[in-house]
Amino acid sequence: SQTIHQWPATLVQPVGSPLSLECTVEGTSNPNLYWYRQAAGRGLQLLFYSVGIGQISSEVPQNLSASRPQDRQFILSSKKLLLSDSGFYLCAWVQGQANTEAFFGQGTRLTVV
Amino acid sequence: AQSVTQLGSHVSVSEGALVLLRCNYSSSVPPYLFWYVQYPNQGLQLLLKYTTGATLVKGINGFEAEFKKSETSFHLTKPSAHMSDAAEYFCAVTGSGGYNKLIFGAGTRLAVHP
Repeated sequence: SQTIHQWPATLVQPVGSPLSLECTVEGTSNPNLYWYRQAAGRGLQLLFYSVGIGQISSEVPQNLSASRPQDRQFILSSKKLLLSDSGFYLCAWVQGQANTEAFFGQGTRLTVV
Repeated sequence: AQSVTQLGSHVSVSEGALVLLRCNYSSSVPPYLFWYVQYPNQGLQLLLKYTTGATLVKGINGFEAEFKKSETSFHLTKPSAHMSDAAEYFCAVTGSGGYNKLIFGAGTRLAVHP
């Protein structure tokens, strides 16, 4: 069966520090991968999506970047965190095109202090 | 481009009452539409989806939604609310023809009181 792992579950980081959130998927190949940020009252904001290794589409200009070094690995990074980067980050995968069900990780609660 | 508007960030109903959560979408291609539910500090779980075919779709936990192209709507309903339905609900849209973006609305928090 397919599973998605996202870690860490919670993270407290000082302003200006780097960030690396990792998401891996098991039991499938060539998935579409997504990073979302959920801030209070703002729903899920699509940050990045990837349809293949090394292929990253950025939706919102910001302080973050994403990479897909392997087929089932999706990494969200920042060189220097801002207070506004705080939020709940969710990774998701879809098999094939996005008209099929998306499966979500448990999320990472990031607090920048 | 796709977008989703969920009317009402908070909805409160009594246990046993009708649940109606509103979703309107905008899409430049034939849309595929979804409703997801999120419980506190967890990821999202699919309730139901519309891709093609029957416009009234039934999902888990007694929820259903109707795709109305003329109204660009995909409202979620449940005839009788249960306490366990209290959660946040998200409407999402993507497009046909190889479209890969999955866009979510701002969410509606449903409260169910005795």
